Amino acid sequence: KNEVEQSPQNLTAQEGEFITINCSYSVGISALHWLQQHPGGGIVSLFMLSSGKKKHGRLIATINIQEKHSSLHITASHPRDSAVYICAVNTSGGGADGLTFGKGTHLIIQP
Amino acid sequence: DTAVSQTPKYLVTQMGNDKSIKCEQNLGHDTMYWYKQDSKKFLKIMFSYNNKELIINETVPNRFSPKSPDKAHLNLHINSLELGDSAVYFCASSQSAKQFFGPGTRLTVL
Repeated sequence: KNEVEQSPQNLTAQEGEFITINCSYSVGISALHWLQQHPGGGIVSLFMLSSGKKKHGRLIATINIQEKHSSLHITASHPRDSAVYICAVNTSGGGADGLTFGKGTHLIIQP
Repeated sequence: DTAVSQTPKYLVTQMGNDKSIKCEQNLGHDTMYWYKQDSKKFLKIMFSYNNKELIINETVPNRFSPKSPDKAHLNLHINSLELGDSAVYFCASSQSAKQFFGPGTRLTVL
């Protein structure tokens, strides 16, 4: 079993819908990341969290350390949000360990 | 002005060849990484370098060797390429854990 599990694997929604992507992890972590990979292939870091909640524009990320769970929410979704969203963690020990990744959630927003 | 750059973007080569992928970051970060994304789009850490010292090597065959001439560069050299090495390879750098990724190099071994 992967140390980082995401759900759903695939999600298709209509423009304007509220989107939630979930991530659970089974290891001790120092930080959790949400990444976005567009069809062109580039990877962008959206959030890095160690506790609580962060918001950037229409994106909100939350983490519950006790439950080892994080969610990424997209409000008022738009076709340009279509991408693969990847949850990743730094295992306890610091950033030099590199990231352990989930398998990604492929999101399609239809106009 | 690209923060993390990789060359080449595409690399097509024959089995058994030796090839290198270059990575440079202009962010002044102390730590750099190589990640492999397989055909199922799953990403996995290969190496990380912190101040020119190898920190981890995650069960990567010794045909793969990272080389860091200075803090801004971490190149990936691959000997005796195999079909299974076909993948997209991403370089990244970080400071305080937030990661910045290069555009990726798509390696195809024929």
